[in-house]
Amino acid sequence: KNEVEQSPQNLTAQEGEFITINCSYSVGISALHWLQQHPGGGIVSLFMLSSGKKKHGRLIATINIQEKHSSLHITASHPRDSAVYICAGYNTDKLIFGTGTRLQVFP
Amino acid sequence: AAGVIQSPRHLIKEKRETATLKCYPIPRHDTVYWYQQGPGQDPQFLISFYEKMQSDKGSIPDRFSAQQFSDYHSELNMSSLELGDSALYFCASSLGVSGEQYFGPGTRLTVT
Repeated sequence: KNEVEQSPQNLTAQEGEFITINCSYSVGISALHWLQQHPGGGIVSLFMLSSGKKKHGRLIATINIQEKHSSLHITASHPRDSAVYICAGYNTDKLIFGTGTRLQVFP
Repeated sequence: AAGVIQSPRHLIKEKRETATLKCYPIPRHDTVYWYQQGPGQDPQFLISFYEKMQSDKGSIPDRFSAQQFSDYHSELNMSSLELGDSALYFCASSLGVSGEQYFGPGTRLTVT
């Protein structure tokens, strides 16, 4: 069983829709990273959080430590948001990656 | 702001050759991580260094070695390359082992 699990694996949306990507993690994960990977391959760090909620522009990340669950929300989605979104958990000093969610936003 | 720099960005090698990938962390970052992402796969942790000492080790083959130098840059040395080593190799850096990791653009290695 993977220590970090994401859902859904694939997600399509119309421009403007509200999007939620979920991440569940196991014991031993002390913090979570939400990452974005575009088709070219580069990885961009969106958030790192160990409690509560963070917001940056149209992106919101929340984490519930008791339930070991995190969500990434995208408000007013746009085609340029199309990418793979990866939840990665910190286990001691290394990241354990989830399987990623491939998001496609259509105009 | 300065980001993590990796070189080269693309590398093509033949089987059994060697390759050296370089990573230059964000200034003042003391921790470097290496990840390998095969085609269609999740990134996998290879190895990390903190203050020039190996910090943690993941699924790094014995054919690979790495080190962190006095200026904090790191090099991943890969020998006896195999076709299965073809992948995107990411380096990330952080301030301290618990700090937020910032990723480089990756080196795409193709072994033919």
